[in-house]
Amino acid sequence: AQSVTQLGSHVSVSEGALVLLRCNYSSSVPPYLFWYVQYPNQGLQLLLKYTSAATLVKGINGFEAEFKKSETSFHLTKPSAHMSDAAEYFCAGRGGNTPLVFGKGTRLSVIA
Amino acid sequence: EAGVAQSPRYKIIEKRQSVAFWCNPISGHATLYWYQQILGQGPKLLIQFQNNGVVDDSQLPKDRFSAERLKGVDSTLKIQPAKLEDSAVYLCASSLDSPGSGNTIYFGEGSWLTVV
Repeated sequence: AQSVTQLGSHVSVSEGALVLLRCNYSSSVPPYLFWYVQYPNQGLQLLLKYTSAATLVKGINGFEAEFKKSETSFHLTKPSAHMSDAAEYFCAGRGGNTPLVFGKGTRLSVIA
Repeated sequence: EAGVAQSPRYKIIEKRQSVAFWCNPISGHATLYWYQQILGQGPKLLIQFQNNGVVDDSQLPKDRFSAERLKGVDSTLKIQPAKLEDSAVYLCASSLDSPGSGNTIYFGEGSWLTVV
């Protein structure tokens, strides 16, 4: 069954520093993988998704993620953090006909 | 393009009362989902519709939760009677077509339920 694990419930970075949010997946079939962002009191907004077209996926707001099959990972990165990036980030995946399954989320704090 | 609409945004009820949430998906989206997000956790799928048929309701607590999608468009999620542990955000989402694809799932802003 598809499952998604996010490493670290809270990540804190300085403004301008690299953002790295970790996500690992398990699946017996090639997965579709997504990163969503959730700002306070709002719904989920898609940042980017992997659908097997390219292993390096670029998303909105300067974020990107790399699909690494050998490591079963889909980590989210951004070269330079901005204060407005502070939010909750969710990795999610689906494989075959399974529903979209979410990780527990990582709260990103950006320190001025 | 209009997004997924949900109402009400906020609801406070006493335990054992009932509550209903409404969702209008993006126009043309065949698949509709209801997720439950408890504070500090990721969303959990409650039920998935394909047009007006149920695809997956394996995690829906059927003794108290019910959902319908009449005419394959709008959907209603009902909880009766509510328990304290039902306090959560109920997210409605929709996607263009069938599950098992890489199509993006679009989320509404959620309906925040507090049971006291």
